[in-house]
Amino acid sequence: DTAVSQTPKYLVTQMGNDKSIKCEQNLGHDTMYWYKQDSKKFLKIMFSYNNKELIINETVPNRFSPKSPDKAHLNLHINSLELGDSAVYFCASSRNRGRGVPGELFFGEGSRLTVL
Amino acid sequence: AQSVAQPEDQVNVAEGNPLTVKCTYSVSGNPYLFWYVQYPNRGLQFLLKYITGDNLVKGSYGFEAEFNKSQTSFHLKKPSALVSDSALYFCAVRDDTGTASKLTFGTGTRLQVTL
Repeated sequence: DTAVSQTPKYLVTQMGNDKSIKCEQNLGHDTMYWYKQDSKKFLKIMFSYNNKELIINETVPNRFSPKSPDKAHLNLHINSLELGDSAVYFCASSRNRGRGVPGELFFGEGSRLTVL
Repeated sequence: AQSVAQPEDQVNVAEGNPLTVKCTYSVSGNPYLFWYVQYPNRGLQFLLKYITGDNLVKGSYGFEAEFNKSQTSFHLKKPSALVSDSALYFCAVRDDTGTASKLTFGTGTRLQVTL
């Protein structure tokens, strides 16, 4: 039973299109994240939600819009895709939102987006 | 902001030999440090964390890490490497300086274990 699952695993699309990636966690965590891993394997946080509330919004183009319908789901919608958006997008979750004892992150398997 | 640095892009070691993957940190306040491993085409998996207490932290798959405050380091170690340990290793630090807590990752070190 996968703890953090993302769909789709692979996504190939043309520049200018709009696409979505979905994430679900069954761990009962209240905080979820989107990370982007580029071709050099650098990992950078994009967004974080805690109980449906956006708590981290890094410097990301506003073509990227996260949505959390409930604390178990976090989706990422990308408008007007550009070549530079090609990357692997990882969803993650954790038990705590912040200032308490830091918990580990549980990652999904990633969604590889290729923009042609 | 808090940060970690991984000075080596790649570490090569023969199976059976000890391995070390280096990480140094820069934080204000108490450091909360983590190691994650990423196998090809997979997500990151948690290995271990340092919050407080013993400087030697034991984690999954026989890995351990040594926290050294004077050298601001948190190197990952294993006494005897396996070929199956070959993967990408990330050091991370919890960063509380923004609106909420987040993990900031290093640039990763590729570990190659050969027979």
